[in-house]
Amino acid sequence: NAGVTQTPKFQVLKTGQSMTLQCAQDMNHNSMYWYRQDPGMGLRLIYYSASEGTTDKGEVPNGYNVSRLNKREFSLRLESAAPSQTSVYFCASSERGGLGYTFGSGTRLTVV
Amino acid sequence: QQQVKQSPQSLIVQKGGISIINCAYENTAFDYFPWYQQFPGKGPALLIAIRPDVSEKKEGRFTISFNKSAKQFSLHIMDSQPGDSATYFCAASIGQAGTALIFGKGTTLSVSS
Repeated sequence: NAGVTQTPKFQVLKTGQSMTLQCAQDMNHNSMYWYRQDPGMGLRLIYYSASEGTTDKGEVPNGYNVSRLNKREFSLRLESAAPSQTSVYFCASSERGGLGYTFGSGTRLTVV
Repeated sequence: QQQVKQSPQSLIVQKGGISIINCAYENTAFDYFPWYQQFPGKGPALLIAIRPDVSEKKEGRFTISFNKSAKQFSLHIMDSQPGDSATYFCAASIGQAGTALIFGKGTTLSVSS
């Protein structure tokens, strides 16, 4: 019973490098989300996918792209990493809407 | 524009005391108000949630109080324990397909023994 699995757990990037954060859920949830958590800023929504085949921007989408690969998987891509993207990234899923999120354990990303 | 305002930013409570965290929202279309608990190095976990058709919901030592007219809701932790030391987030959503949770900025609770 894994829930929401995020990989990698830690990553250090150099400015300008690209990478993809992976997220997979095994609860047959329709909706998936990417948030970033910064000290004193709470959890801010980057992108979300209400259902397979759809994606929408959240509060802070600039510098990111997403792909809903299938119902289970939702990836977040940084095309050209910047120090401002140093953060902890959380993926979450829910059966529908903003109800009953299950979060992954997070990816701690540092951009130097 | 911050749609969910949470206070205080940090809170220190003695063991056995009552911890109170407050949140205020702006969007009257919100109809689902959860609280999440996060321990260091972990993802947030759903603690308790309420709909606006009730004024209070209790689960063990945790209680949500909801004031629809004031657009405020709060988390009360009774008989606070050192194991309750964590970051707490309030959130709100419309709860429909195609929407997402809007979170407050979080409260770091420390319960001293």
